Order: sequence, then structure tokens, then C-alpha cells
Amino acid sequence: ETGVTQSPTHLIKTRGQQVTLRCSSQSGHNTVSWYQQALGQGPQFIFQYYREEENGRGNFPPRFSGLQFPNYSSELNVNALELDDSALYLCASSLVGDSVESPLHFGNGTRLTVT
Amino acid sequence: AQKITQTQPGMFVQEKEAVTLDCTYDTSDQSYGLFWYKQPSSGEMIFLIYQGSYDEQNATEGRYSLNFQKARKSANLVISASQLGDSAMYFCAMRGPSGGSYIPTFGRGTSLIVHP
Repeated sequence: ETGVTQSPTHLIKTRGQQVTLRCSSQSGHNTVSWYQQALGQGPQFIFQYYREEENGRGNFPPRFSGLQFPNYSSELNVNALELDDSALYLCASSLVGDSVESPLHFGNGTRLTVT
Repeated sequence: AQKITQTQPGMFVQEKEAVTLDCTYDTSDQSYGLFWYKQPSSGEMIFLIYQGSYDEQNATEGRYSLNFQKARKSANLVISASQLGDSAMYFCAMRGPSGGSYIPTFGRGTSLIVHP
């Protein structure tokens, strides 16, 4: 069974640039969600995709957007990067779709630094 | 709105001793799930244990148990027989219906250090 994989592991970008982060879900999982984790904080929910449709969004501006593909892999795109976007970005997948009892299976994250 | 509070920024425990990490939550939902995750310095979040709001018995998974007190809205994690490899950040989280989807909410975490 393949776990959740994220790429790249580290990334350095300049303010104003755009970035795309990628995630491959765990085999058989049809729901993927993205999180931003600033240093010393808990993960903050960005959005969730279920069967290629966004079905939940946290308090993040529209310059944070995403996609889920038919093979359940996913992308997080961030436009017009700001210094405060520097964080660990975590992707998680879950098996049972959207429910209270679905544990999240996380990847190792992408560390984004904006200078 | 859902809220998770972890009041212990850091905890220390001697190897082989038990430790309790506190978590309180706030929600108006009747159906919700409570989770604990471990985050080592490598960054990956590892699922430890789950408790459903309707479960009458406390969840257990190996050395991990969840002390669920629904009336007090608390979901403390108990780690028995601590090991050096337990040193990590621990996050309490919940999922409940919010606008039609089960958006997870995380606490700020507790840093656990296990001393030899």
C-alpha cells in the first residue's frame, strides 16, 4: 500500500511569484485535503476535494486554489505569494470520503519559504 | 464553529512513565469525531487514535488511550510506558459537520519530551 507522497519537499520562492505543490493520495482514498502549518502552530485547513469537486474551504483567500485529478492526486496552487505564506503545507487523504470518523493520512509536507 | 484547545505548550516525562496530554473542544454538533495525531521533527502527521461522539467506551490503541469526558468536552490522550521515540508534537483534532462537509479543526499542539 502506497502512502501519501508530496513534492517537492522544499521550495524557495520570491514574493509575488506563483507556486504549485503536488500530492499523490494513498491508494484507494478518494478525498484529499490541504493544510497550512505555520511554525509553532497547528495545521490550518485550506480546502478539501472529494471526487474532483471542492466540498469544503477554510478561511483562505481565492489566490489559494486547487485541483483533484481522476486518479485522486491533487495540486495546491498559490498565486501572488506573500511572506506570510511561508509554512509547511500538508496534504492528507482519507478512505471513507467525507465523514466524522475518517482519519486523515498525511504526507511529509512541502516546506515553502517566501523571500 | 468548532474549537480545539490544548493548554500545555510543553510536557516532560520520564521514560517508562505514563503521561496525559490535555485537550478540550467546543462544538454545537451532536455528531463529531475526535482524533490525536503525532508529528515528529520530520514533519509527517501520524494518526494515533479516534473517538466518536456516540462511543460510550474510551478508545484504546496499544499504549495510547483517549480519556473521553463528553459532559466536560474533554478528550485527553494518555500514553502509557513512554518511550524515547514518543518525543514529538501531539495535536488534538475534531471533525464535525460544517457547511455540509466535515472540516477538521486542529489545536495548537503539545510538545512532549521523553527523558531517559
